[in-house]
Amino acid sequence: DVKVTQSSRYLVKRTGEKVFLECVQDMDHENMFWYRQDPGLGLRLIYFSYDVKMKEKGDIPEGYSVSREKKERFSLILESASTNQTSMYLCASSFRTLAGGKPTDTQYFGPGTRLTVL
Amino acid sequence: AQSVTQPDIHITVSEGASLELRCNYSYGATPYLFWYVQSPGQGLQLLLKYFSGDTLVQGIKGFEAEFKRSQSSFNLRKPSVHWSDAAEYFCAVAPRGSYIPTFGRGTSLIVHP
Repeated sequence: DVKVTQSSRYLVKRTGEKVFLECVQDMDHENMFWYRQDPGLGLRLIYFSYDVKMKEKGDIPEGYSVSREKKERFSLILESASTNQTSMYLCASSFRTLAGGKPTDTQYFGPGTRLTVL
Repeated sequence: AQSVTQPDIHITVSEGASLELRCNYSYGATPYLFWYVQSPGQGLQLLLKYFSGDTLVQGIKGFEAEFKRSQSSFNLRKPSVHWSDAAEYFCAVAPRGSYIPTFGRGTSLIVHP
């Protein structure tokens, strides 16, 4: 089974702190994603990466950065946490292409990190 | 840009009753379509997906979904709901040629005994 793990299930930080959220997958997936999930808004894409050291902005990248130094690990960084970044953060990974050439495959999600910024 | 609409924020059903969760999308060409489920405190799990071929797709946990091109819909169904089906359900759409899905806002399913 594919496993996507996130470093913390719950995190409490103070305004202005630098926050690191870590995600690791064990299926050699090329793609990795960071989403935030808020009630009534569904999942919104923050950043994604399709290869080591490659990253692309999603829909809501402001206030966030990412790092992908190794294929299996994708980190989300809040440079200076603010209260409006209190949310559930979900990491996901997927293969870039399937054997049949389809570019979109199932995303596998981690359990999420519930971040509270005070 | 593509969009996904899940018109129902909450749905309440009795255990044993049938279920249909609605999903409509807006996109020029037929996209890839997915349904995910999120149990409380958990990440998302894929229920089923549609790429091409038979428009009625079978998934895990007894769920199925039907792609209707004319209605731009991909509704999720289950003939008999179990209490353990109470969860948040997300429809997702990805245009062909992309590996980045867009998610709907989710439908919360409440199951009464």
